[in-house]
Amino acid sequence: GDSVTQMEGPVTLSEEAFLTINCTYTATGYPSLFWYVQYPGEGLQLLLKATKADDKGSNKGFEATYRKETTSFHLEKGSVQVSDSAVYFCALSDLGGKLIFGQGTTLQVKP
Amino acid sequence: DTGVSQDPRHKITKRGQNVTFRCDPISEHNRLYWYRQTLGQGPEFLTYFQNEAQLEKSRLLSDRFSAERPKGSFSTLEIQRTEQGDSAMYLCASSLDQGAAGNTIYFGEGSWLTVV
Repeated sequence: GDSVTQMEGPVTLSEEAFLTINCTYTATGYPSLFWYVQYPGEGLQLLLKATKADDKGSNKGFEATYRKETTSFHLEKGSVQVSDSAVYFCALSDLGGKLIFGQGTTLQVKP
Repeated sequence: DTGVSQDPRHKITKRGQNVTFRCDPISEHNRLYWYRQTLGQGPEFLTYFQNEAQLEKSRLLSDRFSAERPKGSFSTLEIQRTEQGDSAMYLCASSLDQGAAGNTIYFGEGSWLTVV
């Protein structure tokens, strides 16, 4: 079945460092891909998405490119802030439209 | 529009009791989803509705779990005879399915269940 694999965390960075969180997927067909963020004690918020190959999703300085050839959707940010500390989830939407999530990657940014 | 709302936000119950969670989706969203999330894990799909029809149920949804969306608006998720393994956050989400790819799914803040 469809699945998403994320790099294990936690990822600990200093403020203004470059961030990459790896995400790869296995799917039937060509799913849409998403990154969600979860702050402590809260639900999930959509961060960005891409619906077809070579699309780049971007929001709040984060970006990710849909790479069909490597089945990847890595999240990047050029300069992280303490306020970016959260859990990040990569997800795909399957043929029925529901989301399948990776296990999440915790990001800790230190001042 | 106030987003997806869930009630209660926190519930502590004794093993063997029944609990019910309510979800109010974003108005006019025709799809409603339930997920379960345990600490340190990603959300796991439980079930979803298109209007009032329940279209898919995960194998995680044992016969002690039942979900309804009687009028295609709000939904309830009931867990009967709760077990300690049911302790988790139950997330509700909704979307407007217009047949296009990549419909954005919006999540509520979740209902935390602790079974003691």
